[in-house]
Amino acid sequence: AQSVTQLDSHVSVSEGTPVLLRCNYSSSYSPSLFWYVQHPNKGLQLLLKYTSAATLVKGINGFEAEFKKSETSFHLTKPSAHMSDAAEYFCVVSDKDQAGTALIFGKGTTLSVSS
Amino acid sequence: EPEVTQTPSHQVTQMGQEVILRCVPISNHLYFYWYRQILGQKVEFLVSFYNNEISEKSEIFDDQFSVERPDGSNFTLKIRSTKLEDSAMYFCASRVGQIYYEQYFGPGTRLTVT
Repeated sequence: AQSVTQLDSHVSVSEGTPVLLRCNYSSSYSPSLFWYVQHPNKGLQLLLKYTSAATLVKGINGFEAEFKKSETSFHLTKPSAHMSDAAEYFCVVSDKDQAGTALIFGKGTTLSVSS
Repeated sequence: EPEVTQTPSHQVTQMGQEVILRCVPISNHLYFYWYRQILGQKVEFLVSFYNNEISEKSEIFDDQFSVERPDGSNFTLKIRSTKLEDSAMYFCASRVGQIYYEQYFGPGTRLTVT
């Protein structure tokens, strides 16, 4: 069965410093992987997705993630944090490219950004 | 930009009462989903819906739950007899196509059962 492990429940960075949010996945098939962000009192917004094309995926707001099959990882990075990046981040896996496929969420990582 | 909308944003109900949560998916999307997030826990899949029928459901989605697309635009989740443990944020999502398409989420409805 597929699963996602987010290795850090909380990450704190200073504004202008790099961000690294770690995610490992388990999947029996060739997975599709996503990062979603949830700002306070807002819905879930897609940051980026990997679907078996380029292994380095660029998303919105300067975020990117690299799919590493050998390490079963899909870590999210950003070179320079901004105050507006403070939010909850979810790593998500989907195994099958079929209609009606459920997304499997990690527990989430809370990113705090200090000035 | 098109978005998924959900109403109400917050629903308070008494245990044993029926509730209906409403969602309007993005208009050209064909696949619809409900997820829930109990406070402090993971977002969990409940059900997916395509071509006017359930295509997949989790063990959470028991006989107390039902979904419907009554009029071609709304997508509803009904809980027949709410329990305290149904208190959660409920997210609706929609997806445009079959292959590699991400799901777009609404802002959620916070359900509080007292």
